[in-house]
Amino acid sequence: QVTLKESGPVLVKPTETLTLTCTVYGQMGVSWIRQPPGKALEWLAHLFSNDDKSYNRSLKTRVSISKDTSKSQVVFTMTDMDPVDTATYYCVRAPSNIAVAGPHFDDWGQGTLVTVSS
Amino acid sequence: QSVVTQPPSASGTPGQTITMSCSGSSSNIANNHVYWYQQFPGTAPKLLIYRNRQRPSGVPDRFSGSKSGSSASLAISGLRSEDEAEYYCATWDDSLSGPVFGGGTKLTVL
Repeated sequence: QVTLKESGPVLVKPTETLTLTCTVYGQMGVSWIRQPPGKALEWLAHLFSNDDKSYNRSLKTRVSISKDTSKSQVVFTMTDMDPVDTATYYCVRAPSNIAVAGPHFDDWGQGTLVTVSS
Repeated sequence: QSVVTQPPSASGTPGQTITMSCSGSSSNIANNHVYWYQQFPGTAPKLLIYRNRQRPSGVPDRFSGSKSGSSASLAISGLRSEDEAEYYCATWDDSLSGPVFGGGTKLTVL
């Protein structure tokens, strides 16, 4: 069992950029998934083990995912935050190539609630 | 609105067998595997079923998945009070080139 833990701000202001980090170990794919309060899950982005990236098309212009190998961290950013982006953001272990393997999300971080408010 | 549809609620009594559905299309469920997740309030989702009908280690065989055409189903037999949770289906969507989740089904054990 791999333990993933998200870290980042709990409160961001509208128009600000959100940056979340997830500490991971080993070669694996990592996705970010969010869940607004009382609502469904939404996949945001995926980092393949070969550093390729894939993004939710509806958010593609706002989101970015990358790896900081020196810190064993995966970094997720979302620009131009809005109150509708208030959600719990999860870092999730996934197969390296989810396009082939599918959404096999077998290890989830505890999630971090990010509130967007002025 | 998700491209994959789940009924918002389902209910059953202890011991009963219930089935919940997940409906999609040719761009998702019909040509890709379906996954099911169980989520209790305040906790992260947990993988319940993968590749349509496979159970991860530790998941009771009371939980079973199936797929036919562009729809999938999750069945829970011998319903227990601790099964009360939100259940999400997920699959890959070829048109969107990404994973998609259903809106979730909240299961109530009466």
